[in-house]
Amino acid sequence: AQSVTQPDIHITVSEGASLELRCNYSYGATPYLFWYVQSPGQGLQLLLKYFSGDTLVQGIKGFEAEFKRSQSSFNLRKPSVHWSDAAEYFCAVGGQNNAGNMLTFGGGTRLMVKP
Amino acid sequence: DAGVTQSPTHLIKTRGQQVTLRCSPKSGHDTVSWYQQALGQGPQFIFQYYEEEERQRGNFPDRFSGHQFPNYSSELNVNALLLGDSALYLCASSPPFRASGANVLTFGAGSRLTVL
Repeated sequence: AQSVTQPDIHITVSEGASLELRCNYSYGATPYLFWYVQSPGQGLQLLLKYFSGDTLVQGIKGFEAEFKRSQSSFNLRKPSVHWSDAAEYFCAVGGQNNAGNMLTFGGGTRLMVKP
Repeated sequence: DAGVTQSPTHLIKTRGQQVTLRCSPKSGHDTVSWYQQALGQGPQFIFQYYEEEERQRGNFPDRFSGHQFPNYSSELNVNALLLGDSALYLCASSPPFRASGANVLTFGAGSRLTVL
């Protein structure tokens, strides 16, 4: 069965500081990996995705993530956090041959940004 | 171009009642998935509809049912509501299976259901 673990429930960083959100996954085959962001009262917005190829993927809003197969990880990073980045972040895994593209989400990490 | 639209945005029901939530997919998308997001948790997959049929189902009881219409819009029905059904219900759509981006879901803003 596939699963996603986001070890950090809450993270607080100062504006302008760097950010890394951790994500570990379990999947029996080559995974599709995603990071979504959710602002209060909103749906999920896709930040970036990894399907294959270069293990460092770039996303929107200056975010990037690195796929490390040996560590079953897909950590999200940003070099300089802005106050508007405060939100909940979800990592998700899906199947490469999954015609139904069902995603399994982690429990989320809530990011707070200090001025 | 409208994205995924859901209605209603908020609703309150009492235990034992039934509820219907509606979703219109993004233009060009033909597959609709439903997720339940309880407070403080990540979304959980309920089921997915494609070609008006349920294609995949998560670990949810039969009280949860759905439908997809010829125009690709979808409904989620929940019968015999329990307090634990209180959650944000998210609809997501995706392009045809062999199209570019078929594995990328576009989410709506959700319908927040409160069961009293």
